[in-house]
Amino acid sequence: AQSVTQLDSQVPVFEEAPVELRCNYSSSVSVYLFWYVQYPNQGLQLLLKYLSGSTLVESINGFEAEFNKSQTSFHLRKPSVHISDTAEYFCGGGAQKLVFGQGTRLTINP
Amino acid sequence: EAGVAQSPRYKIIEKRQSVAFWCNPISGHATLYWYQQILGQGPKLLIQFQNNGVVDDSQLPKDRFSAERLKGVDSTLKIQPAKLEDSAVYLCASSEGVYYGYTFGSGTRLTVV
Repeated sequence: AQSVTQLDSQVPVFEEAPVELRCNYSSSVSVYLFWYVQYPNQGLQLLLKYLSGSTLVESINGFEAEFNKSQTSFHLRKPSVHISDTAEYFCGGGAQKLVFGQGTRLTINP
Repeated sequence: EAGVAQSPRYKIIEKRQSVAFWCNPISGHATLYWYQQILGQGPKLLIQFQNNGVVDDSQLPKDRFSAERLKGVDSTLKIQPAKLEDSAVYLCASSEGVYYGYTFGSGTRLTVV
C-alpha cells in the first residue's frame, strides 16, 4: 500500500536554530516526492520537490530536502529558522496521485 | 496566473442536511483533485478527475458523497446527508500532472453540528 509517514507530529525549536522534519515513504510512492507548507486557514503551498537526478533539492526560502533511497526517507531541513516558518508541513509522494503524511507542526519560540 | 478558487470558505450545517462545495481550477489544468483534511491529519484523496472523467474515487464514500466536473473545468463536491464525522476542510487542487506538483485552493471548512 502507498504510504507516507511523518515521524513527528510537533517540532518546537528556538528561532535561528536548525530544524529537521522527518519523512519516510513506501517504495510505491517514491516516484515523485514533495514537501508542502500550510499556514493557518490556507491551502497547501508547494515548498520543494524531488523528481530525479540530484538527491538534494532546495527551496527559495532556505529549506532543503534529501532523497535517500536506501533509508526510504525524504527529510526536510533548514539551518536557521525564523518566526515566519511557523506552519504545518506535509510530505507527499506518488506517481498518478499524491499521498500525504499526517503533517508536522513546526513552532518557533523566540 | 489566478489560483484555484473555492467557495464557500466556511459552512456550518446540521447533521443529515446536504451541502455543496465549488472549485474552479487553474485554466488549462486537466487534472482536478478533492481532498478531505480532518483536523490533525494529512489530506486524504477523495476523488481525482482527468478532464471530466473520474480516474480514482476509491476512497469516496459513495453512499453520501458525490462529485462532478462538467465540461472538464469547474467541479462540485456534494455531501448528502452529512454526518458529524464529515467535519473537515475540503481542499481542491489542480495540476498539469503529478510531475509538476499540485496547486491547492484555500479550502472549505465544514462544521457539522
